[in-house]
Amino acid sequence: EDKVVQSPLSLVVHEGDTVTLNCSYEVTNFRSLLWYKQEKKAPTFLFMLTSSGIEKKSGRLSSILDKKELFSILNITATQTGDSAIYLCAVEAWVDTGRRALTFGSGTRLQVQP
Amino acid sequence: DVKVTQSSRYLVKRTGEKVFLECVQDMDHENMFWYRQDPGLGLRLIYFSYDVKMKEKGDIPEGYSVSREKKERFSLILESASTNQTSMYLCASSPGGRGHLWSNQPQHFGDGTRLSIL
Repeated sequence: EDKVVQSPLSLVVHEGDTVTLNCSYEVTNFRSLLWYKQEKKAPTFLFMLTSSGIEKKSGRLSSILDKKELFSILNITATQTGDSAIYLCAVEAWVDTGRRALTFGSGTRLQVQP
Repeated sequence: DVKVTQSSRYLVKRTGEKVFLECVQDMDHENMFWYRQDPGLGLRLIYFSYDVKMKEKGDIPEGYSVSREKKERFSLILESASTNQTSMYLCASSPGGRGHLWSNQPQHFGDGTRLSIL
């Protein structure tokens, strides 16, 4: 069974801190790994990673994938209160009809205190 | 920007009722998905569809059905609502179709419907 595990489940930091969120996976026929940020409403897309070792960056956020060790990290530098959210990791796999398209982890709840 | 609209933000129903959750997307996407989100369990796929009138079971289809009569609309139906179906329901869409369910475009989500079954 495909599995995506995120850690930590919950994290409280102060503004300015740097955080690293972890996502490990066991998936058959891996295609890509995605990170989403969910505040009060819909998850919004952050990154899609398909190749090992290539960092994707967007402002203070960056992410990298290790396909050999089957994990990804999401880094946030100089955190702000607006970074407070649930961060979801999802893995996309080549599947046959009837199997699921995307497997989500349970998320990491990040709280950034002023 | 892709817009995925779910008809209700909050919904309260009683056990045994038939419940319809509606989702509409405006980007002509072939693929549409229904998830439920529960604390500690993340998002779990209920059903998905890669074309009009096509549907496929996800991880947890029991107690649910879906309808895709038009490309832009994907409905989730709780045939006889039960209290364990109290949850946040999220609809998503992406371009592609059957041969490209896993295109380079990520899924775009609606704002969710928080459903309570009493």
